[in-house]
Amino acid sequence: GAVVSQHPSWVICKSGTSVKIECRSLDFQATTMFWYRQFPKQSLMLMATSNEGSKATYEQGVEKDKFLINHASLTLSTLTVTSAHPEDSSFYICSANRGGWYEQYFGPGTRLTVT
Amino acid sequence: GDSVTQMEGPVTLSEEAFLTINCTYTATGYPSLFWYVQYPGEGLQLLLKATKADDKGSNKGFEATYRKETTSFHLEKGSVQVSDSAVYFCALTGLYGGSQGNLIFGKGTKLSVKP
Repeated sequence: GAVVSQHPSWVICKSGTSVKIECRSLDFQATTMFWYRQFPKQSLMLMATSNEGSKATYEQGVEKDKFLINHASLTLSTLTVTSAHPEDSSFYICSANRGGWYEQYFGPGTRLTVT
Repeated sequence: GDSVTQMEGPVTLSEEAFLTINCTYTATGYPSLFWYVQYPGEGLQLLLKATKADDKGSNKGFEATYRKETTSFHLEKGSVQVSDSAVYFCALTGLYGGSQGNLIFGKGTKLSVKP
């Protein structure tokens, strides 16, 4: 149990376009979902925390107008990278919290390449 | 702010060798400590955790003890297998750092085990 999926697993887009990444909890309801960004050989950096039905809480330095997060239901959160640029190329990982405040389950990640 | 420092990799060992991956942390309050593992092509999985000082987390032959006096949570395994090859992340979450239990990660240590 406690499986989290992400779609797509990888995406290539042109500079200036927008890309949507989905994060789904497949067999549980997620009260909270988190979005992380991972650069090569770097740690995971938290971008934002989202709760179903409310606005996401963004970490300092993360542009909320660029990285739009929508937590539409207890099993789905989406991250939209708007007007993507090459510097947005990265590995984006989501996680979902099932209830216990430290119980986070991670998706496999999405590789975004902006050309 | 809160942070996690873990040893640089990659670490290459022969099968049945002893493994230690060092992890130290800086945190206000009383953090919970975690080791996550990321196998190739998969999402992060919780390997073990410890929620208070002197607790020992263990799973799949791996162990780590929460040492408050040295602010450390070193990961050990007595005899590694080829299947243990993965990237290992030390992480913490605290009552005072972050919101809603978000995790703060170290940079990760890549382990390669040769037969």
